[in-house]
Amino acid sequence: QKEVEQNSGPLSVPEGAIASLNCTYSDRGSQSFFWYRQYSGKSPELIMFIYSNGDKEDGRFTAQLNKASQYVSLLIRDSQPSDSATYLCAVNSGYGGSQGNLIFGKGTKLSVKP
Amino acid sequence: NAGVMQNPRHLVRRRGQEARLRCSPMKGHSHVYWYRQLPEEGLKFMVYLQKENIIDESGMPKERFSAEFPKEGPSILRIQQVVRGDSAAYFCASSRGTGSDTQYFGPGTRLTVL
Repeated sequence: QKEVEQNSGPLSVPEGAIASLNCTYSDRGSQSFFWYRQYSGKSPELIMFIYSNGDKEDGRFTAQLNKASQYVSLLIRDSQPSDSATYLCAVNSGYGGSQGNLIFGKGTKLSVKP
Repeated sequence: NAGVMQNPRHLVRRRGQEARLRCSPMKGHSHVYWYRQLPEEGLKFMVYLQKENIIDESGMPKERFSAEFPKEGPSILRIQQVVRGDSAAYFCASSRGTGSDTQYFGPGTRLTVL
């Protein structure tokens, strides 16, 4: 059974701080990793994807992947109240570039206090 | 540049009725995935389809649920004889397939069973 684990939070950070969200996965063969943001009552919105070990930066967001430790993280710099949402970590179940469904963690609820 | 479209956005059914949920993928996308999100729960994979083919239905309940993606028209998730436990948000996602496994989500259909 492939699993994705996240700390459910809530994670509370002050405005302007760095928010750090973490995720671990069980299947060592996993190759594609995604972070989605979901506001209450809305659909998941893709923030970042990462395939290779190391860091990937996009604006205020940095995704970090460590395949040896089976660990993915998302850093949000200069956090804003509008970043308050649930962040979902997802792993693609497919191998070798093939398509597969996403396996989601339960999400971490982030609250950014003004 | 339309995104993934789903309709209806809200659907109310009485126990025993049928629910039909529709999903049109993003332009250029040929892979469709259905996920269900129960209240306060994570997103769970249900079924993965390409045109006229069910690729993976391992997440679909064995009874009352069916899905199709015909050659023409949207993908349809059909729930027969709905029960209260079917009340959830149903999200459709699509991906391009070739060269990319990134999935983009539609706005969802919120099903309420009375």
